[in-house]
Amino acid sequence: ETGVTQTPRHLVMGMTNKKSLKCEQHLGHNAMYWYKQSAKKPLELMFVYSLEERVENNSVPSRFSPECPNSSHLFLHLHTLQPEDSALYLCASSQDRDRGVYGANVLTFGAGSRLTVL
Amino acid sequence: ELKVEQNPLFLSMQEGKNYTIYCNYSTTSDRLYWYRQDPGKSLESLFVLLSNGAVKQEGRLMASLDTKARLSTLHITAAVHDLSATYFCAVDMWGNKLVFGAGTILRVKS
Repeated sequence: ETGVTQTPRHLVMGMTNKKSLKCEQHLGHNAMYWYKQSAKKPLELMFVYSLEERVENNSVPSRFSPECPNSSHLFLHLHTLQPEDSALYLCASSQDRDRGVYGANVLTFGAGSRLTVL
Repeated sequence: ELKVEQNPLFLSMQEGKNYTIYCNYSTTSDRLYWYRQDPGKSLESLFVLLSNGAVKQEGRLMASLDTKARLSTLHITAAVHDLSATYFCAVDMWGNKLVFGAGTILRVKS
């Protein structure tokens, strides 16, 4: 497998369920991201992990819980979600630039997990 | 808080004509990216602009960056059907944070 792989591609869950989204990258990158894409809002950054340490938590409700066990894997644990959480959840990875060197931060995205909360 | 605005949000293009998408952003940054998203698919990197005056071209698309005006443009030359997609600009904030615009939906009519 190459690139960024997300599973499942589609998920339907009730408000009381607990589920997880999984992301795996095969690019040797050291930073991973969760973005939310919904019809009503632009792409929203949710979480960033750099070198397996969470560096960004963009005021995301606690019903979303990220986990990054290593630099290749990222999870988004979901519990007691609301219907408004229905969206496409995109995982991305990048090679975190050396902070002393001017460089690009090009993200490679996965295909996304389409979540529907009933 | 950084805001990134794209316009137009929807563009219906005629084949063979030229068009421009604009991306304005609210705070200082000299790194900007353009992505393309096809329906039902993920985002794909198109251009990386890393300095004031940067210009990149790929086929019928050309992107430029004016950091003083906080403006990037994506110019389409002689539109063809294959260019139908949603195009996003994203501005690079320090600390692994990219802020995306709302996206511009492009449709090319035959």
